[in-house]
Amino acid sequence: DTGVSQDPRHKITKRGQNVTFRCDPISEHNRLYWYRQTLGQGPEFLTYFQNEAQLEKSRLLSDRFSAERPKGSFSTLEIQRTEQGDSAMYLCASSSPPQLAGGEPHEQFFGPGTRLTVL
Amino acid sequence: DQQVKQNSPSLSVQEGRISILNCDYTNSMFDYFLWYKKYPAEGPTFLISISSIKDKNEDGRFTVFLNKSAKHLSLHIVPSQPGDSAVYFCAATPNTGNQFYFGTGTSLTVIP
Repeated sequence: DTGVSQDPRHKITKRGQNVTFRCDPISEHNRLYWYRQTLGQGPEFLTYFQNEAQLEKSRLLSDRFSAERPKGSFSTLEIQRTEQGDSAMYLCASSSPPQLAGGEPHEQFFGPGTRLTVL
Repeated sequence: DQQVKQNSPSLSVQEGRISILNCDYTNSMFDYFLWYKKYPAEGPTFLISISSIKDKNEDGRFTVFLNKSAKHLSLHIVPSQPGDSAVYFCAATPNTGNQFYFGTGTSLTVIP
């Protein structure tokens, strides 16, 4: 399977704990995005990587959130001191540069998401 | 500040008829617009897109129309099939593709 994978699929944690999620993009994609989605809402952009460089970060992202993509392949999203308001689905997506896209420019491929529940 | 809006949370259509899903945006810097389809317990999957230099893009049963002056786009599905029942998200991005803005989604139900 060459799609985007995310691990774990589900995470239940207690308020105040730290959690880390992993995303493995499609191997030839150099662009990687993290989103958060809550019930009844669309995906909300969190951050964007081009290769290993974090080029965009939502101003809505608190300093408890940090993301890395150390070798330009997989990425991790860490949430420190979790709060109940962090409960959401965390989605990862990857894409090719528009000029190299074999399909449509800016087409993103999403993983299945990690559902976080903070008790 | 919701820069991409889908004002209809749900839509029901008879099988074989046309489904029209609407989307409005506020940011004139958006250059590219995309529609995604989402089934429960799965991530969104890309459906169709349109560049701001076009006003129509067609792919099989799916057509997206863009009205830049009105900052409005719509997705037409003809004919609608029960398998089209899903949540549809509209998304927009500047040409750089560095940041994407999604609407809140429209849940489409196609009735057999």
